[in-house]
Amino acid sequence: EPEVTQTPSHQVTQMGQEVILRCVPISNHLYFYWYRQILGQKVEFLVSFYNNEISEKSEIFDDQFSVERPDGSNFTLKIRSTKLEDSAMYFCASSVGTGGLNTEAFFGQGTRLTVV
Amino acid sequence: AQKVTQAQTEISVVEKEDVTLDCVYETRDTTYYLFWYKQPPSGELVFLIRRNSFDEQNEISGRYSWNFQKSTSSFNFTITASQVVDSAVYFCALSHRQGAQKLVFGQGTRLTINP
Repeated sequence: EPEVTQTPSHQVTQMGQEVILRCVPISNHLYFYWYRQILGQKVEFLVSFYNNEISEKSEIFDDQFSVERPDGSNFTLKIRSTKLEDSAMYFCASSVGTGGLNTEAFFGQGTRLTVV
Repeated sequence: AQKVTQAQTEISVVEKEDVTLDCVYETRDTTYYLFWYKQPPSGELVFLIRRNSFDEQNEISGRYSWNFQKSTSSFNFTITASQVVDSAVYFCALSHRQGAQKLVFGQGTRLTINP
């Protein structure tokens, strides 16, 4: 069964460093998303991406964050200068579409980011 | 604004008991989608069900059933004859139809099934 793949599963970085989290969405999906979950808290939307541009973003997604689809398969989330409060599980998700039967988002296994 | 409330932070039951997880939502949209996701201890988010706002028919899938009541803005989830493997955090989520999908999650309910 096709799945969303995220790498790495766990990343430890020093405060102020840049990190890139990588995702390979399901191949025929057109919409891509990043969510994060601070330990023990709810899952929060960060950004959605369609047709090579951001379609929606939350207030969490400030100038320190960026997303990119550098080739036909990868979807990345970059955090420019990490802060301690960026420590969280980051989930990538993808969906075929956004309406009708195609609103189901499939999530990856997550990347646990620890900023020290 | 959209909001999802899962008032039950933690539930603990003995195996084989039935358990219901509550979900109440708020939205001004007339068309919207409701979801349940399971997060086992391994951490991934596993899709369980999607419902659209026009379909109030209850659904049953094996030991799982969902009760969608628009009149009370609720989308409750029942596990019948619970098993230890059902232990997980369960999230209810809401999305609006227009534009890119943006799931608004509830706080989650940690369900522990004891043998």
